[in-house]
Amino acid sequence: DTAVSQTPKYLVTQMGNDKSIKCEQNLGHDTMYWYKQDSKKFLKIMFSYNNKELIINETVPNRFSPKSPDKAHLNLHINSLELGDSAVYFCASKQGVGTDTQYFGPGTRLTVL
Amino acid sequence: QKEVEQNSGPLSVPEGAIASLNCTYSDRGSQSFFWYRQYSGKSPELIMSIYSNGDKEDGRFTAQLNKASQYVSLLIRDSQPSDSATYLCAAQISGAGSYQLTFGKGTKLSVIP
Repeated sequence: DTAVSQTPKYLVTQMGNDKSIKCEQNLGHDTMYWYKQDSKKFLKIMFSYNNKELIINETVPNRFSPKSPDKAHLNLHINSLELGDSAVYFCASKQGVGTDTQYFGPGTRLTVL
Repeated sequence: QKEVEQNSGPLSVPEGAIASLNCTYSDRGSQSFFWYRQYSGKSPELIMSIYSNGDKEDGRFTAQLNKASQYVSLLIRDSQPSDSATYLCAAQISGAGSYQLTFGKGTKLSVIP
């Protein structure tokens, strides 16, 4: 069974469109994350939710809006897509606070044309 | 500004040699440190975590932590071509920020057969 899954795996779209990426974890974890990895492979945190509450909201354009309907799901909606949004987006989860390991999903490669 | 610095490489070592990967961090509040391996086109996977000063060994991998020098390293003994990947160093602070990992930009390792 896949621990952290994301859909879609690839997303190609035009500038100005609105798109969503979905993430689900079946590990029973409390905390979920969205990361962006750019073309230079730099992995940067965007958002984190703990038990459906937003706890980390880094400096990200407000075109990006996370939503957590329950603690097993964290979705990312992006409005008015721009060329610079092209990247790989990773979802991750971990159990609570402290030193627990973060487990990453397979990633969604977003290409904005 | 919390930062984690890594030499981007590429670091090339012959098969069977020891690969040494280094990382420094700026936030003295960092308590926990992680090494993730990322193959091209794949998601990061945890290979080592270290929380106390000194060495921690797991198979061919040894993580070293020196909090006074704010330095973390990863040694890979008997390097194999399958170890060729990008290695990401990450730091986590305790307390309210302990949900969050700060990643370095990664070091690309190539093991030459």
